[in-house]
Amino acid sequence: GAGVSQSPSNKVTEKGKDVELRCDPISGHTALYWYRQSLGQGLEFLIYFQGNSAPDKSGLPSDRFSAERTGGSVSTLTIQRTQQEDSAVYLCASSFFSGPNEQFFGPGTRLTVL
Amino acid sequence: LAKTTQPISMDSYEGQEVNITCSHNNIATNDYITWYQQFPSQGPRFIIQGYKTKVTNEVASLFIPADRKSSTLSLPRVSLSDTAVYYCLVGGDYNQGGKLIFGQGTELSVKP
Repeated sequence: GAGVSQSPSNKVTEKGKDVELRCDPISGHTALYWYRQSLGQGLEFLIYFQGNSAPDKSGLPSDRFSAERTGGSVSTLTIQRTQQEDSAVYLCASSFFSGPNEQFFGPGTRLTVL
Repeated sequence: LAKTTQPISMDSYEGQEVNITCSHNNIATNDYITWYQQFPSQGPRFIIQGYKTKVTNEVASLFIPADRKSSTLSLPRVSLSDTAVYYCLVGGDYNQGGKLIFGQGTELSVKP
């Protein structure tokens, strides 16, 4: 079946512009997670959704970052007024429920801020 | 969430068994131990998860001692395609929403 998909796969933007990153989780997965991976680094948790609500936003680096999820499915991560330090691969994962179970990751969106 | 410590890199040869040990001294009662594998330019992939003792699946085994302060991922008879970064994670309980805290991981290089 279809896995987690993310779009765009690559995004190049200029400093100060806003960007939107999209995640389509596996159908039926109630939990959705956003992570960020900078070059040569491990993954950094950003936010997770259970259904359409986000019980944990603790990983969002600043108020320029926001995310929403609609219909218990698609999620959008928005970065406003992008900065060069926002350059990274943004990964989305989904799982059947939020808890100790397998998370399925998408291929990621590579964001480059010039 | 508990912090994990694992070797930054390891080398092995094809056909050998590889054991990667992870320390997690501050593991909490509700925490699970999970290992993920990541190839370049791909998202991580789940390998195995356990709470205590030993867990085995078709890919690997996970050994967890009684105090749960460490765990060992065992990869039997590695091949070149096992060259990847392996992450040990502790957490994932319901109260934390299952979020994963990744460390730096262990870069495994398998040579012919």
